[in-house]
Amino acid sequence: QVQLVESGGDMVQPGRSLRLSCAASGFSFSSYAMHWVRQAPGKGLEWVAVISYDGSDKYHADSVKDRFTISRDNSKNTLYLQMSSLRAEDTAVYSCARPLAGFYAAFDFWGRGTLVTVSS
Amino acid sequence: QTVVTQEPSFSVSPGGTVTLTCGLSSGSVSTSYYPSWSHQTPGQAPRTLIYSTNIRSSGVPDRFSGSILGNKAALTITGAQADDESDYYCVLYLGSGISVFGGGTKLTVL
Repeated sequence: QVQLVESGGDMVQPGRSLRLSCAASGFSFSSYAMHWVRQAPGKGLEWVAVISYDGSDKYHADSVKDRFTISRDNSKNTLYLQMSSLRAEDTAVYSCARPLAGFYAAFDFWGRGTLVTVSS
Repeated sequence: QTVVTQEPSFSVSPGGTVTLTCGLSSGSVSTSYYPSWSHQTPGQAPRTLIYSTNIRSSGVPDRFSGSILGNKAALTITGAQADDESDYYCVLYLGSGISVFGGGTKLTVL
């Protein structure tokens, strides 16, 4: 069955960096675009980034552009989110998600998420 | 910056019908935005109900339907049930890889 398992979340100080991972299994990972979505405590969903099936196209939300970078390693069935210059407002549960089609943020599978806390 | 708007809260009686909407801070929502609707109960991952305006995800009952109403995307729930009480999110595809979620609607069934 399809599984998406995030890891790498931690408590970090503002300005620091962190890399999140999403291990995928149960499907042909290299055939799908993949997304990161986050949810701050008690808040709504926020789309973060998407990457094409082969990693050639990447798009990021304005709120994280130039600070976060999405990437993937299809040989390892793993999706990444490199986060730098972290701010308090980046505190959230970060989840990876498989889209139903293309780049649209409509998903059929979500991971359970990994918590990133940015605090001094 | 494009803002996707949703009603912060809505209430419906059991068995009743409710329509939640999803708009844009400027401009109209059309099928070209591929509106999608998800719901989320506390502590759970979201579940997609509707995508590409009006296509139901696998296993979603037909009392959930999507449409364009005027200048907004809409999610209509007919025959509301207690377990429909949830947070509902729409998301629009703005093009060039960019998607934006609305702020969510907290639906109460009482």
